[in-house]
Amino acid sequence: EAGVAQSPRYKIIEKRQSVAFWCNPISGHATLYWYQQILGQGPKLLIQFQNNGVVDDSQLPKDRFSAERLKGVDSTLKIQPAKLEDSAVYLCASSSRTSGNEQFFGPGTRLTVL
Amino acid sequence: AQRVTQPEKLLSVFKGAPVELKCNYSYSGSPELFWYVQYSRQRLQLLLRHISRESIKGFTADLNKGETSFHLKKPFAQEEDSAMYYCALNTNAGKSTFGDGTTLTVKP
Repeated sequence: EAGVAQSPRYKIIEKRQSVAFWCNPISGHATLYWYQQILGQGPKLLIQFQNNGVVDDSQLPKDRFSAERLKGVDSTLKIQPAKLEDSAVYLCASSSRTSGNEQFFGPGTRLTVL
Repeated sequence: AQRVTQPEKLLSVFKGAPVELKCNYSYSGSPELFWYVQYSRQRLQLLLRHISRESIKGFTADLNKGETSFHLKKPFAQEEDSAMYYCALNTNAGKSTFGDGTTLTVKP
């Protein structure tokens, strides 16, 4: 089966600019996750979708971050405006109950904010 | 709120030696626990989960509810085990929390 796809793989922007990331989960996976992974730390959950509804977004900085999952398939994560501390790898993952809630990860997008 | 702690950032052992990567958690409900691994230049992937009670690549992990731990063990480490290991917890509601990871280096 095709894995989780993410784009772009790398992005360099200046602070105060905006950026968007895209994720295409594994077909049929109802749950989609966005994580932020800062160097030296574990993945931190930003937002979790179940189909096109939000299950948890308690750690999403809503003043600058937004995410949507229209039609319950693809998802986009946006940062506007970006800050220096947003430099990180942004990971997308998907899972399904039939896979025992195992999360399948994409390759990530490495964001550098200058 | 739930929390996952991996007390060792770095762990280095010689090939053939036993290895144990520690994971402690705090959660008031019944957790679902996982170990994920990331090899160099590869994606994060599942290594094993507590409910399956299986051995993968020689690794095992036992959930100890009394000590709230889920340590990962292997009796004889191999060089190809060198990687980043993350312990993760799912709550009853399915919310996922990861530890900060342990970098394992197996020396020849």
